[in-house]
Amino acid sequence: GNSVTQMEGPVTLSEEAFLTINCTYTATGYPSLFWYVQYPGEGLQLLLKATKADDKGSNKGFEATYRKETTSFHLEKGSVQVSDSAVYFCALIKNNNDMRFGAGTRLTVKP
Amino acid sequence: KAGVTQTPRYLIKTRGQQVTLSCSPISGHRSVSWYQQTPGQGLQFLFEYFSETQRNKGNFPGRFSGRQFSNSRSEMNVSTLELGDSALYLCASSLNGQGMDEKLFFGSGTQLSVL
Repeated sequence: GNSVTQMEGPVTLSEEAFLTINCTYTATGYPSLFWYVQYPGEGLQLLLKATKADDKGSNKGFEATYRKETTSFHLEKGSVQVSDSAVYFCALIKNNNDMRFGAGTRLTVKP
Repeated sequence: KAGVTQTPRYLIKTRGQQVTLSCSPISGHRSVSWYQQTPGQGLQFLFEYFSETQRNKGNFPGRFSGRQFSNSRSEMNVSTLELGDSALYLCASSLNGQGMDEKLFFGSGTQLSVL
């Protein structure tokens, strides 16, 4: 079935460091791919999405490119801030089935 | 526009009891989905309701059930609680249901602790 695998955390970075969180998926055809972010004590919020191969989703300095050839949707940010500390979830959806989430990666950014 | 509202925010129950959680979606949204979030399992899909009908269901035992009312508000019930049911239960609403290119709006969750 459809599934998402993302790198295990936690990830700890210093402010202004480069961030990569890996995400790969398993699905037939072309699912839509998402990154959601969960700040402490809150629900998930959509960070960015891509709906077809080679699309790049971007928001708040974060980017992810839909790579069909490697079935990946890695999240990147060039310079992280303390306020980016949160849990990041990769997710996919296809054909009106339920949205499938990865296990989540906790990011801590230190000043 | 008010966001997704979940009540209560925290719950403490003992094994064997039952619990009911409530979710009010964003006004106009007809779909409500429920997820269980635990540190070990991440987010696990429970079920989705659309226009008062269960549309999708995850792999949870029958102790987990839900319903949706005509105003789109949804409740989730867990009977005969077990220690392993301790989790953050998240509700998500969307306009027309989970599907391609559909954004989910999440509530802050209900933290359930089973003692």
